[in-house]
Amino acid sequence: GAGVSQTPSNKVTEKGKYVELRCDPISGHTALYWYRQSLGQGPEFLIYFQGTGAADDSGLPNDRFFAVRPEGSVSTLKIQRTERGDSAVYLCASSPPLNTEAFFGQGTRLTVV
Amino acid sequence: KNQVEQSPQSLIILEGKNCTLQCNYTVSPFSNLRWYKQDTGRGPVSLTIMTFSENTKSNGRYTATLDADTKQSSLHITASQLSDSASYICVVSEGSSNTGKLIFGQGTTLQVKP
Repeated sequence: GAGVSQTPSNKVTEKGKYVELRCDPISGHTALYWYRQSLGQGPEFLIYFQGTGAADDSGLPNDRFFAVRPEGSVSTLKIQRTERGDSAVYLCASSPPLNTEAFFGQGTRLTVV
Repeated sequence: KNQVEQSPQSLIILEGKNCTLQCNYTVSPFSNLRWYKQDTGRGPVSLTIMTFSENTKSNGRYTATLDADTKQSSLHITASQLSDSASYICVVSEGSSNTGKLIFGQGTTLQVKP
């Protein structure tokens, strides 16, 4: 596609439920990043993939959060037993090999009620 | 801890005026520094990217500077327009390669008034 695509654009879920957020990176981009942004804050790093493997998952806040990228393209961020504090915009970005540019999707706004 | 700090937190200027946003970082090792513009409800969009050896880079009315010795960067906006109203985020890439983790500042919220 022309850009990074994230689905859904908005997700409302009840506390305790499981959610999956999807990111379709730009074709050919090997690096993929997940960030979380709370209102009025800068994006906070969650996890970064190079190809299929998680090169750095130190930003995942706890074991309720998990992300996969099984074929090195599409990635899914999974959140178990959601809490109200998980409410935020989840941003995905991708970057081509050996390139400094990172392109962001529009984000998924998650609201846990 | 690797950090990126920006100032001011918010700024209001009149249309046509210039402004300068600041960014200080402690990220090491440092790969590159980027400035992004984020409109409300949108993902960040890159304005400039500078590596260790670059001191200044321009993109239209946006000019970024970098002092890698003092670990400071600035973004200067010339002849501001209403459409410049957005958050401006300084982002530093950690690590020795261009594919390192991106560390974001909290952003400066700029409002341009007519």
